[in-house]
Amino acid sequence: ETGVTQTPRHLVMGMTNKKSLKCEQHLGHNAMYWYKQSAKKPLELMFVYNFKEQTENNSVPSRFSPECPNSSHLFLHLHTLQPEDSALYLCASSQVLAGGYEQYFGPGTRLTVT
Amino acid sequence: DAKTTQPPSMDCAEGRAANLPCNHSTISGNEYVYWYRQIHSQGPQYIIHGLKNNETNEMASLIITEDRKSSTLILPHATLRDTAVYYCIVRARSGSARQLTFGSGTQLTVLP
Repeated sequence: ETGVTQTPRHLVMGMTNKKSLKCEQHLGHNAMYWYKQSAKKPLELMFVYNFKEQTENNSVPSRFSPECPNSSHLFLHLHTLQPEDSALYLCASSQVLAGGYEQYFGPGTRLTVT
Repeated sequence: DAKTTQPPSMDCAEGRAANLPCNHSTISGNEYVYWYRQIHSQGPQYIIHGLKNNETNEMASLIITEDRKSSTLILPHATLRDTAVYYCIVRARSGSARQLTFGSGTQLTVLP
């Protein structure tokens, strides 16, 4: 595997379900991000992890719970979601120490909440 | 981060050069210009970035005006697979992880 991978690619869940999205980066980066992209809207940042520490939470509801066990893996745990949470969820990584800001994105998970 | 302005849509004939403009008139001296693109329902893809010199890589060229208030992304020989939304983002480089702020971008449609 190369780059940034995300699983599953598609997910349909009911409002009472609990599910998790997984992201893995194979680039040796030290920062990881979750973004949300709703239909016809720009990408919105949800969470930032820098060296496994959460450094930014963009006022995300508590029904979204991130976890970063190491610098290569990032999870987004979902519970009691609402239909308006249906969106494309994107994971990205970057190498912060290099001073650059090139973020590399995964293919996304298309989430539908029924 | 400085605000950017891009046309909402553009068409380009296959095989021709696609020139995508971006206005960033409030850019400050330490801010870079970054370009990303997003093919429908996929994750955004980094293309290129620059500070004040023109840059070229295997994907595209970036031309930044001398006053740095605008730039143009050039895809020299557009193909149908280049159809995507192209985002111009201006921000300073940082020693910490920070978000990328995506605007509405330019929808480029490459026509056969």
